[in-house]
Parts: sequence; structure tokens; C-alpha cells
Amino acid sequence: DAGVIQSPRHEVTEMGQEVTLRCKPISGHDYLFWYRQTMMRGLELLIYFNNNVPIDDSGMPEDRFSAKMPNASFSTLKIQPSEPRDSAVYFCASTKTGYGYTFGSGTRLTVV
Amino acid sequence: AQSVTQLGSHVSVSEGALVLLRCNYSSSVPPYLFWYVQYPNQGLQLLLKYTTGATLVKGINGFEAEFKKSETSFHLTKPSAHMSDAAEYFCAVGGRDDKIIFGKGTRLHILP
Repeated sequence: DAGVIQSPRHEVTEMGQEVTLRCKPISGHDYLFWYRQTMMRGLELLIYFNNNVPIDDSGMPEDRFSAKMPNASFSTLKIQPSEPRDSAVYFCASTKTGYGYTFGSGTRLTVV
Repeated sequence: AQSVTQLGSHVSVSEGALVLLRCNYSSSVPPYLFWYVQYPNQGLQLLLKYTTGATLVKGINGFEAEFKKSETSFHLTKPSAHMSDAAEYFCAVGGRDDKIIFGKGTRLHILP
């Protein structure tokens, strides 16, 4: 089991550019979560999916953020256009009902 | 609604001393409770979880936590701290919908 796989590990982009973060959950897990971690705000839940369907996106900060899960083995989080305040570590996590989450190693995003 | 409060954003203990990290929760439904650990530049790793049954839960690396419903607490302990325990620790609460809410974290420092 390779765990939850996120790519890229690091991303540096210029303000205004589109950024796409990718996540491959653990096979058989039916929930997928996207979190953002910053020093100021800690861990924030952005959105989560159950069986590929978005369940709660109330944590998505604004319309510049969007997430998709086209199939059980892949999800993306897109920011367009990116801004410096989006700089953070973005984590993907997956779980099977009743178990704790398994987190990926995160993507460190820097917007300059 | 659910919430978690971790008392103390930083805790320092001497190597070999007792580790006690405090967590209080609020939940309108029977809670699932979790402790996660995060080492630098890594994702979160599940230490232990409480769902139902025995209120004293043992986890990895010698950690344990006790669910006390009357006190709405789930404090994390370890009898003897090791240098390798230095990390950030997150308490989290969830319910049946598998969404879990994280506390703001406690950074544990181990003094030689």
C-alpha cells in the first residue's frame, strides 16, 4: 500500500497563474478530504467527497478554488487565479468509513 | 456542531518525564476522537482513536488517551518522553459522517 500520494511536493508560482494540485487516495477508501495548513489558521477543511461526490465545500475560501474527483482514484484542487495569500501546505487525506484518516505528504504552495 | 480545544500551543517536558497533552471537545452526537502526530515536513499520522467501547485507548509509540465523557476530555499521555517524540500533536473529533474537525495543535518540545 503506497498510501495517499500527492503531487507535486513543492510548487512555486507567480500571482495570477493557475495551480493544480493532485491526489491519489488509497484504493478502497470512499472518502477524500482536502485540507489547507497555515501557521495562522492551522488545519482547515476545504472540501470532502464521498464516493466521488462532493459532500461539503463550505470551507472553500472563494470561487478561485475548485475541486474535482472524476473517479475513485484521483482528485484535483485547482486555484485560478492564485494569490500570495494562498501560500500554504495543502493536504489530501482519505478514509474508509469508521477509520481514521490517512494523510498524504502534502504540497507546499508558494505564490510570489 | 463539533469543536476541539487543545490547551497549550507549546508544551516542554524533559526526556524521561511524563507527557500530558490536553484536549477537550464539544459534540452534539457520540464522538469519535483521534490524536494525530505531525513531524516536520510530513503529513499527519494517526496515533490512536476512540470510537466505542473501552475508554482507555492505546496507540503507537507508547502513547495512550482516555475518553472521559463527564469531562468532555481526551487527553494524550506517555509515561516517559523520548527525544523522538518532539513533534506537533493534533486532537480531532468526528461523527458518523466521517468529517473530522482538528484542534489547532500542540507543539511538544523535549528537553535533554
